[in-house]
Amino acid sequence: GNSVTQMEGPVTLSEEAFLTINCTYTATGYPSLFWYVQYPGEGLQLLLKATKADDKGSNKGFEATYRKETTSFHLEKGSVQVSDSAVYFCALTPRGGAQKLVFGQGTRLTINP
Amino acid sequence: GAGVSQSPSNKVTEKGKDVELRCDPISGHTALYWYRQSLGQGLEFLIYFQGNSAPDKSGLPSDRFSAERTGGSVSTLTIQRTQQEDSAVYLCASSLVGTETDTQYFGPGTRLTVL
Repeated sequence: GNSVTQMEGPVTLSEEAFLTINCTYTATGYPSLFWYVQYPGEGLQLLLKATKADDKGSNKGFEATYRKETTSFHLEKGSVQVSDSAVYFCALTPRGGAQKLVFGQGTRLTINP
Repeated sequence: GAGVSQSPSNKVTEKGKDVELRCDPISGHTALYWYRQSLGQGLEFLIYFQGNSAPDKSGLPSDRFSAERTGGSVSTLTIQRTQQEDSAVYLCASSLVGTETDTQYFGPGTRLTVL
């Protein structure tokens, strides 16, 4: 079956630090990959996505590259801000049609000034 | 509207009561999904609707849960005889099927508390 595994949190960093949140997946075929973010008190928002191998999704300074050979989609940001404090979810859907999202367990990120 | 809307935003109910949660998807989106977010289980898929096809109910945790989508738009998730373990945030999402990524866009959720 399809599954997503994220690095365990919580993660605490200082402002301007480099961020990596690891995500690996198990899926048949070529899924689409996503990072969603949930800010305190808010709903899930799409952060970035990638639909095929070697695609790089990017948004708000965050990046993630679809690595088929390592079945990974790690989230990175070069210099985090306090406003990046949130819970981050890696997710996949199988290719084609309406399919349920399979989520990782989420990683809580706290950025200290 | 511009995004997915859900109502109510919060619902407190007593054990054994029935509740109805509503979702208004993005206009024109053909697929609608319900998920549940709870502390112990993370984000779980419940059910999805796609056009006129039979819904995929594979994620519903028990027969106390049901959902319908009227007119291909608004959806209602009903939980009968609520239990304390039903306490969670219920999230609705919609997508435009047929696009390359079928990206799902989420509403703000309904926080359900069963006393």
